[in-house]
Amino acid sequence: TQLLEQSPQFLSIQEGENLTVYCNSSSVFSSLQWYRQEPGEGPVLLVTVVTGGEVKKLKRLTFQFGDARKDSSLHITAAQTGDTGLYLCAGGAGGTSYGKLTFGQGTILTVHP
Amino acid sequence: NAGVTQTPKFQVLKTGQSMTLQCAQDMNHEYMSWYRQDPGMGLRLIHYSVGAGITDQGEVPNGYNVSRSTTEDFPLRLLSAAPSQTSVYFCASSWGGRGELFFGEGSRLTVL
Repeated sequence: TQLLEQSPQFLSIQEGENLTVYCNSSSVFSSLQWYRQEPGEGPVLLVTVVTGGEVKKLKRLTFQFGDARKDSSLHITAAQTGDTGLYLCAGGAGGTSYGKLTFGQGTILTVHP
Repeated sequence: NAGVTQTPKFQVLKTGQSMTLQCAQDMNHEYMSWYRQDPGMGLRLIHYSVGAGITDQGEVPNGYNVSRSTTEDFPLRLLSAAPSQTSVYFCASSWGGRGELFFGEGSRLTVL
């Protein structure tokens, strides 16, 4: 069974601070996705990374896939209150995931004004 | 475009009762899946389907049945509800092999 360990589980910061969320596994994934979820809603895809060492930027969010494709990180620069939410990483195994993803436990981010 | 629609949004059952969670998508996605979300455990895959007439088990399939008679619909049946099935259930669909998921808004189930 593939596992994804996310850390930290909880993050409480002030607006304007930077933060990093980590997603680690002992297994290799063919792709790694990051989702954001708000209370009462389903997760929404932020980004997919597929190549070892890949870095993707989405405004103030930077996503990195480890060289060995076993880990990933999400870095937020100058956090805003609107970034508050649950962040989930999810890995797909094999060439075709068919919607079968392994999810991390999630990181609850609270950004205070 | 409605995307992925789940009904009901909330349901309370007594132990032993059965029910069906409905899921429909209008994006013509081949792949559909059901996950459950419990505090501190992320999302866990219950069942998935790669097309009409084809389903398979995920990580936590016990106590749940699925069928896929059309591309659009993927209902999840609880055969005999147990308190351990109290959770938030998400249906998701995907267009391609990397499995990037589009989720419904979730169905919150409480089993007493």
